[in-house]
Amino acid sequence: ETGVTQTPRHLVMGMTNKKSLKCEQHLGHNAMYWYKQSAKKPLELMFVYSLEERVENNSVPSRFSPECPNSSHLFLHLHTLQPEDSALYLCASSQDPQDTQYFGPGTRLTVL
Amino acid sequence: QKEVEQNSGPLSVPEGAIASLNCTYSDRGSQSFFWYRQYSGKSPELIMFIYSNGDKEDGRFTAQLNKASQYVSLLIRDSQPSDSATYLCAVLNTGGFKTIFGAGTRLFVKA
Repeated sequence: ETGVTQTPRHLVMGMTNKKSLKCEQHLGHNAMYWYKQSAKKPLELMFVYSLEERVENNSVPSRFSPECPNSSHLFLHLHTLQPEDSALYLCASSQDPQDTQYFGPGTRLTVL
Repeated sequence: QKEVEQNSGPLSVPEGAIASLNCTYSDRGSQSFFWYRQYSGKSPELIMFIYSNGDKEDGRFTAQLNKASQYVSLLIRDSQPSDSATYLCAVLNTGGFKTIFGAGTRLFVKA
């Protein structure tokens, strides 16, 4: 679990707030991912970065904005979210996009 | 049709029995297949991956892949109560950048 860290672990925000989720990987991987996990639904891939370039954008609303400043860090900037965006947001990394993914502990987000 | 389909369960087996978890996928060009385990309140962790048709064994776990039938399964031998979790099937799509997860099968191993 310490290979991929995420902060904060829990976040409560109003619909007009702006916040950011942070992910850091200490595994020397080249690919990083954001997933959304809602109750009783499959993990939904949001974004994939490979060598700091976005290679997959899975039709995510623009109120979610990713940023990958280097291969070890990944951010998810949030603004004007909706209550249905409440979910567990998981970050993952892998050596390359075809390889096994290692997940962080997640950020439990609640939008009021 | 869902891209990766799993029976949601719960699948209940007695301790010591074999648990069989199944998964079907729709992308015929998929080449890489993964099984992850997720305990309640935790993040997914890899159990096994398989790329070639046939069986792959690792300890008590065996993954089976049949690309012609677009079917992948996970067998857990000598099931233990600690195996009780949700098991996620994941398939890497033809393009090689997008991993699609199934909704998961909940397994309950009774002591």
